Amino acid sequence: SQTIHQWPATLVQPVGSPLSLECTVEGTSNPNLYWYRQAAGRGLQLLFYSVGIGQISSEVPQNLSASRPQDRQFILSSKKLLLSDSGFYLCAWTADGAPYNEQFFGPGTRLTVL
Amino acid sequence: AQKVTQAQTEISVVEKEDVTLDCVYETRDTTYYLFWYKQPPSGELVFLIRRNSFDEQNEISGRYSWNFQKSTSSFNFTITASQVVDSAVYFCALSDLGGSQGNLIFGKGTKLSVKP
Repeated sequence: SQTIHQWPATLVQPVGSPLSLECTVEGTSNPNLYWYRQAAGRGLQLLFYSVGIGQISSEVPQNLSASRPQDRQFILSSKKLLLSDSGFYLCAWTADGAPYNEQFFGPGTRLTVL
Repeated sequence: AQKVTQAQTEISVVEKEDVTLDCVYETRDTTYYLFWYKQPPSGELVFLIRRNSFDEQNEISGRYSWNFQKSTSSFNFTITASQVVDSAVYFCALSDLGGSQGNLIFGKGTKLSVKP
């Protein structure tokens, strides 16, 4: 069966520090991968999605970047964190070629920028 | 433009009450999919149901039921005989051809509190 992992689970970082969040999927190949952010008390906003290795699309301009160095690995990064980057970051996957399939989400990373 | 509206920000019920969570969507496409997700306090989103725009049959799964009405662009979710474990934030979402590779457009969520 397929599983999705995210780490770390929680992170507290000072403003201006770098960031690296990792997401890996097991039990499937060539998934579509997504990064969402959920600000406190708000809905989910899609940040990036990827349909394959090295293919990244950004939905909103921001201080963050994403990379997909391997088929089932998706990384969210920042060179210098801002206070506004605080939030709950969720990684999700869906089967390749099936954009209408349900997305399955990881456990999330709670990021606090101080 | 696609949009999902969950007008109820918070709902509080007593255990065993029935509760309906409303979801209204906007899309210009004739082919689209609707979803409900549950987010318990742990934070992980749990998939509940997917519905395509060509299937208006209501669906029941245990204590959960969904009412899809294209005429009113609504996809409401009812929990029968609610339980404390149902306490969570529930999100309705839309995916259509206008989205990016299956991008889900989420509503802002409804926080359900079920009290014993």
